[in-house]
Amino acid sequence: QVHLVESGGGVVQPGRSLRLSCATSGFTFSTYRMHWVRQAPGKGLEWVASILSDGSSKYYAESVKGRFTISRDTSKNTLFLQMNSLRAEDTAVYYCARGSELDPWGQGTLVTVSS
Amino acid sequence: QSVLTQPPSASGTPGQRVTISCSGSSSNIGSNYVYWYQQVPGTAPKLLIYNDYQRPSGVPDRFSGSKSGTSASLAISGLQSEDEADYYCAAWDDRLNGWVFGGGTKLTVL
Repeated sequence: QVHLVESGGGVVQPGRSLRLSCATSGFTFSTYRMHWVRQAPGKGLEWVASILSDGSSKYYAESVKGRFTISRDTSKNTLFLQMNSLRAEDTAVYYCARGSELDPWGQGTLVTVSS
Repeated sequence: QSVLTQPPSASGTPGQRVTISCSGSSSNIGSNYVYWYQQVPGTAPKLLIYNDYQRPSGVPDRFSGSKSGTSASLAISGLQSEDEADYYCAAWDDRLNGWVFGGGTKLTVL
């Protein structure tokens, strides 16, 4: 079956960087667009970034544009999110999700930005 | 402030029918599919409805989606205690070039 497993979260100081990974299995990774969606503590869902199946196009929320970079490695069936210049407001659980329907989602990884 | 507008809460008794609304604009709901997700606290969101009204396999037919113009609705009939969760609507937005979500509706089964 389809599995998405995020990793790389943790506590980081403001201004520092972090790289999240989303390891996938159970489907042909190279044929699906992929997404990152986050959820701040006690808040709703916020889309972060998307990447097309071949990596040719990437889309970002205004709140992260210029600071975050989405990428994928087809040889490793893995999605990445490089997060630079982190701010307190980036604190959230980060989920990866598959395809045009954002289905399924991984279990999420918590990123805490705090000094 | 979410781009899509949902009521913050809804409630019903077991067996009742409840509906959750989702209001958007011509750049999102008005021109793209609507999706609904169910999130039990502490777990990842789960796709409930796709392409406005389609149900993934495994989702009970008690859940149904509809859309008219720039608004959409999720209906849950025969309410059950396990339906208590947060529900989110979502759509692609052509103007923002990204996904937009509703603020979420917390459903309480009384």
